[in-house]
Amino acid sequence: DSGVTQTPKHLITATGQRVTLRCSPRSGDLSVYWYQQSLDQGLQFLIQYYNGEERAKGNILERFSAQQFPDLHSELNLSSLELGDSALYFCASSAGSLGELFFGEGSRLTVL
Amino acid sequence: GQQLNQSPQSMFIQEGEDVSMNCTSSSIFNTWLWYKQDPGEGPVLLIALYKAGELTSNGRLTAQFGITRKDSFLNISASIPSDVGIYFCAGLVLNYGGATNKLIFGTGTLLAVQP
Repeated sequence: DSGVTQTPKHLITATGQRVTLRCSPRSGDLSVYWYQQSLDQGLQFLIQYYNGEERAKGNILERFSAQQFPDLHSELNLSSLELGDSALYFCASSAGSLGELFFGEGSRLTVL
Repeated sequence: GQQLNQSPQSMFIQEGEDVSMNCTSSSIFNTWLWYKQDPGEGPVLLIALYKAGELTSNGRLTAQFGITRKDSFLNISASIPSDVGIYFCAGLVLNYGGATNKLIFGTGTLLAVQP
């Protein structure tokens, strides 16, 4: 158990819809990262937050947004969903900045 | 941009065999890390390397940070069925000019172990 909690574990929705994925980091970790993993793809970095502020942005689509709340939990919002958005979405947290990330079990999104 | 080329893409071996995989880049990294992803799970950190030339072991796993800082390898000795999974390398660039460090993942090596 990494200590990072993601909900929901599975989500099935239709094209055009909007979903919200939630992440609770390990106790004490200030940094939260979001990654997307599609079939045949590695881990694509989406966005990072540190103590409530956006710290880095990766290949995140404009239809996607995220935020980190004062209690440090984070949400990833995916809107106007397309079939190609079907993927595993991972949240990870870290205490420092040396790349040692702790990943949640992921949220599997299926867009039909 | 920075890319990590991880090889091989996949390996199918017999239990008891040793395994070697590596990661190369045209860019320099400050830290190399190796993660393992079990089926249906999130990646888990196996080994972190912080200095060029560093050789670190974690049980049957041994990893090295290349002298040029552009590569790293991971060896698994005497493989067992539970070694099955996807192994990812990751390289970290420290952004001294700003507040953002950049962690880049390789494309992964799928390991299958036949009992």
